[in-house]
Amino acid sequence: AQTVTQSQPEMSVQEAETVTLSCTYDTSESDYYLFWYKQPPSRQMILVIRQEAYKQQNATENRFSVNFQKAAKSFSLKISDSQLGDAAMYFCAYRSGEYNFNKFYFGSGTKLNVKP
Amino acid sequence: GAVVSQHPSRVICKSGTSVKIECRSLDFQATTMFWYRQFPKQSLMLMATSNEGSKATYEQGVEKDKFLINHASLTLSTLTVTSAHPEDSSFYICSAQTYSNQPQHFGDGTRLSIL
Repeated sequence: AQTVTQSQPEMSVQEAETVTLSCTYDTSESDYYLFWYKQPPSRQMILVIRQEAYKQQNATENRFSVNFQKAAKSFSLKISDSQLGDAAMYFCAYRSGEYNFNKFYFGSGTKLNVKP
Repeated sequence: GAVVSQHPSRVICKSGTSVKIECRSLDFQATTMFWYRQFPKQSLMLMATSNEGSKATYEQGVEKDKFLINHASLTLSTLTVTSAHPEDSSFYICSAQTYSNQPQHFGDGTRLSIL
């Protein structure tokens, strides 16, 4: 089974600064999707950004961007100009594009604190 | 767009009670819905996958008779925790997607507390 590892249980960043959250995964598949989800205290899971493995270009959504290193199986999330509203749990997720492609594998999460 | 509504948001009930949680896709048709369980400070654990009109596929270790899932329409799936006990207390989250290559959209979750 695929595994997703987030090695940083908790991180802090100063408001307006940049922070990078790490994620690595293990797979033998070549076709897959990667996601970052945000879970604020309200507990709703919100999609932040997604990356298709076949795309070499790193995905970007406003202040959020990823550094996708397919060979290294790394998928980090960079948050620029951090805002207080960015404080949340962030989950990295993997989904197969080949077999059982509906199933998500989630990392253990990184709690992001944003200091004013 | 892509709103998933989950109801109720919180349930507190006595041991032995059966509890039903609804998950609705409000503005899209969800061919597949997923049910997750999340313990405090932990990640989401997939419990089962349900496709409209067919039986749910349960993950290993999840009791089918304990967690009954019905996906009767393209916009509604229900999870019934039967004869709930304190160890069933948890945060339950549903998600829905239109097609297999689309992201999952999550509901707000249901906090279940069994006394």
